[in-house]
Amino acid sequence: AQSVTQLDSQVPVFEEAPVELRCNYSSSVSVYLFWYVQYPNQGLQLLLKYLSGSTLVKGINGFEAEFNKSQTSFHLRKPSVHISDTAEYFCAVSYSGYSTLTFGKGTMLLVSP
Amino acid sequence: EAQVTQNPRYLITVTGKKLTVTCSQNMNHEYMSWYRQDPGLGLRQIYYSMNVEVTDKGDVPEGYKVSRKEKRNFPLILESPSPNQTSLYFCASSPDVGLARGEQYFGPGTRLTVT
Repeated sequence: AQSVTQLDSQVPVFEEAPVELRCNYSSSVSVYLFWYVQYPNQGLQLLLKYLSGSTLVKGINGFEAEFNKSQTSFHLRKPSVHISDTAEYFCAVSYSGYSTLTFGKGTMLLVSP
Repeated sequence: EAQVTQNPRYLITVTGKKLTVTCSQNMNHEYMSWYRQDPGLGLRQIYYSMNVEVTDKGDVPEGYKVSRKEKRNFPLILESPSPNQTSLYFCASSPDVGLARGEQYFGPGTRLTVT
């Protein structure tokens, strides 16, 4: 069965500091990986996705993620966060041949001044 | 503007009173889906539809029904709501029928409270 683990439920960080949000998925031959962001009282929007090719994926708002097949990870990073990055972040995975997207439980990023 | 709309945005109802949450998309997407979001559990898929008249169960379908009579609409029906269905519901659509590679576009959410 597909599964996604987000290791941290909450990550507090100061403004302008770097941040890494961790995501691990259950192993599969062909996998597609996504990070979504949910700002307060809003729906989810796509930050970035990995389908194939380069393992370093760049997304919107200065975020990037690295696909690591050997460690089955897809960690999200930003070198310098802003207050406006405060939101909940969801890692999601889908597998070739399947028609569902499985989400992790989310990581709340709290950026303080 | 390309979007997914849901109505109502907020709903308080009582146990057993049938309700429908509507979802509509104007992007001509084949794939549509319903999720519920609960604290500490993330998003869990309720039902999805790969095309008109084609629907299938997700991870938590019990107590819900859906229909897909038109491409743009995908209503979620709770025939007899119970308090454990109190949740935040999201509708989403995707241009990718197989979904695997496709981005999903989410609606703004419907907050349902069942007393």
